This record gives sequence, structure tokens and C-alpha cells, in this order.
Amino acid sequence: GDSVTQMEGPVTLSEEAFLTINCTYTATGYPSLFWYVQYPGEGLQLLLKATKADDKGSNKGFEATYRKETTSFHLEKGSVQVSDSAVYFCALSKGKGGKLIFGQGTELSVKP
Amino acid sequence: GAVVSQHPSWVICKSGTSVKIECRSLDFQATTMFWYRQFPKQSLMLMATSNEGSKATYEQGVEKDKFLINHASLTLSTLTVTSAHPEDSSFYICSARDRLAGRDEQFFGPGTRLTVL
Repeated sequence: GDSVTQMEGPVTLSEEAFLTINCTYTATGYPSLFWYVQYPGEGLQLLLKATKADDKGSNKGFEATYRKETTSFHLEKGSVQVSDSAVYFCALSKGKGGKLIFGQGTELSVKP
Repeated sequence: GAVVSQHPSWVICKSGTSVKIECRSLDFQATTMFWYRQFPKQSLMLMATSNEGSKATYEQGVEKDKFLINHASLTLSTLTVTSAHPEDSSFYICSARDRLAGRDEQFFGPGTRLTVL
């Protein structure tokens, strides 16, 4: 079945470091891909998305490119801040039903 | 963005009792809501899809008689864990789908921590 795999955390970085969180997927057809962020004590929020191959989603300095040839959707940010500390979830969705399949989440901790 | 609330945020109950969790879309109407379960350090697992005015669609392996879902209005869905047992202890998260013209996005509630003693 369809699935999403993320790199394991926790990831600990210093402020202003470069961030990459790897995400790969297995799916038939042409899924849409998402990154969600969960700040402590809050619900998941959509960070960015891409709906077709080679699309780049971007928001708040984060970006990810839909790579069909490598079935990947890696999240990157050039310079992280302490406020970026959160859990990041990669997810896919297919069809019109709206069902999301999530990766296991990657905890990011940014130290000043 | 749109806001989804859950109540209660945490609940402790005795084994054998039933617990109801509410999910509300506060500023939009949601014809579809989703219920997820999240174990510590693990992913969100979709339990069921709830459509307003119709029966919920459960994912494989989820007991529909144990996890009762009701979506009685466009802003409220409830999940009732019946005859709860310690293995039902988990973090339950709902989301509501907003399908305004030009947008199709899920908004998530903050979750409910259930502990069954």
C-alpha cells in the first residue's frame, strides 16, 4: 500500500544552520505531497504542498520539491531559527477523498 | 486560517467506561472530518472518515462498534470510545476539511490525550 518514510529524529541544529529533513514515498498514481508542522501544544498546520512532479512548495523560508524520479519530497530551509523547533510530518494524498497518509514525524530542535 | 477545536484536551477514565471526544470547526463548515490516532513517537494513523449526515467510513482494522463516530452537523463530529481499555490510551486528533471555492485543505485540532486506567 501507499506509505511515507521520513528520516528519524530528533534532529538538533544550531540557529542559522541549514536544515534538510528527508521524505520518500511509495504510491501508485500521482499523489499530492505535503509537509505539516506541529508546534508544542498545537494542532498540525500545513506548511507547504506540491501537487505534481517538479512542483516546488515554499512557505516561511521552507521549501520542498516533488521529485517523481526519486519519489522524494525533502524539506529544506537555509537558516533555521529557534522558533522552528517543532515536529515535522511529511504526508501524501491521492484522489478526491482527501485522506492523508503520514510519515512518522521528525522532531527538530534548534538551539540558540 | 480556519480553526478546529477539540474537547476535552485530556481525559482520564476507568477501564470499561465510555468517553466522548468532540471536534468542532469554529469558523467554517466541514462536510468531511477525519479522526486519527497517534502513538508516542509515531505517525498519525487514520481511523475513519466522517461525512456529515452519513455513516463514517472506517479504515481496515478499526472496530466501528468500539469507536463510534457521529457527524451530526457541518461543524461538529464526535468520537466515542466505548468500553475503553488501557490499550485505547492514545492521542486522538481530528481534522476538518474546508472545501471553499479554490481551496481544499484539512485543518487539525490540537488533539485529545486519553488515558484509560
